Amino acid sequence: LAKTTQPISMDSYEGQEVNITCSHNNIATNDYITWYQQFPSQGPRFIIQGYKTKVTNEVASLFIPADRKSSTLSLPRVSLSDTAVYYCLVGDIGGSQGNLIFGKGTKLSVKP
Amino acid sequence: ETGVTQTPRHLVMGMTNKKSLKCEQHLGHNAMYWYKQSAKKPLELMFVYSLEERVENNSVPSRFSPECPNSSHLFLHLHTLQPEDSALYLCASSAYSQGQPQHFGDGTRLSIL
Repeated sequence: LAKTTQPISMDSYEGQEVNITCSHNNIATNDYITWYQQFPSQGPRFIIQGYKTKVTNEVASLFIPADRKSSTLSLPRVSLSDTAVYYCLVGDIGGSQGNLIFGKGTKLSVKP
Repeated sequence: ETGVTQTPRHLVMGMTNKKSLKCEQHLGHNAMYWYKQSAKKPLELMFVYSLEERVENNSVPSRFSPECPNSSHLFLHLHTLQPEDSALYLCASSAYSQGQPQHFGDGTRLSIL
């Protein structure tokens, strides 16, 4: 099972770009990289997913180097409402999803 | 609105009670999951159902009993719970194929007296 390592917490200010890096040294060939956002007392929300290179959607970008041993979630111009816990998951989403393990996540605090 | 609805949102019960948590999804997914999230702990996967059959059971105590009558509904039956079972119980669904992320409900906050 591919384990992930991410910073426990990060602080930022409104309007800044935030980059959260996740390490996953033993990622397998079939593994995808998925990021979720969670607010207190709510379920995690899917943000973005990728396999290699760069993926961009309306809320974030995901950068994955060629060796795929790490990934970086980039949030452009954060606002106070982006204060949340961000989880990086690595796993083979096809087949059994029992190998998707949530870590402790990164608690992002955005200040005015 | 996530497409995954959990009821009730809050539940307080005694250790000898029997209750059930309900999850419903209208996303056309064919896999559903139960997770437990305790305070200051990562989400723990409890059960996985694919096409209404259980495919994963991560050593969950028998006082938790899941039921998946069809691909849109998932239940978690609770009986004789312990205080340490107090937590946020989250349901999720997904398409059971490669590259499909999970969609979560907002959970049931369970408190055991």
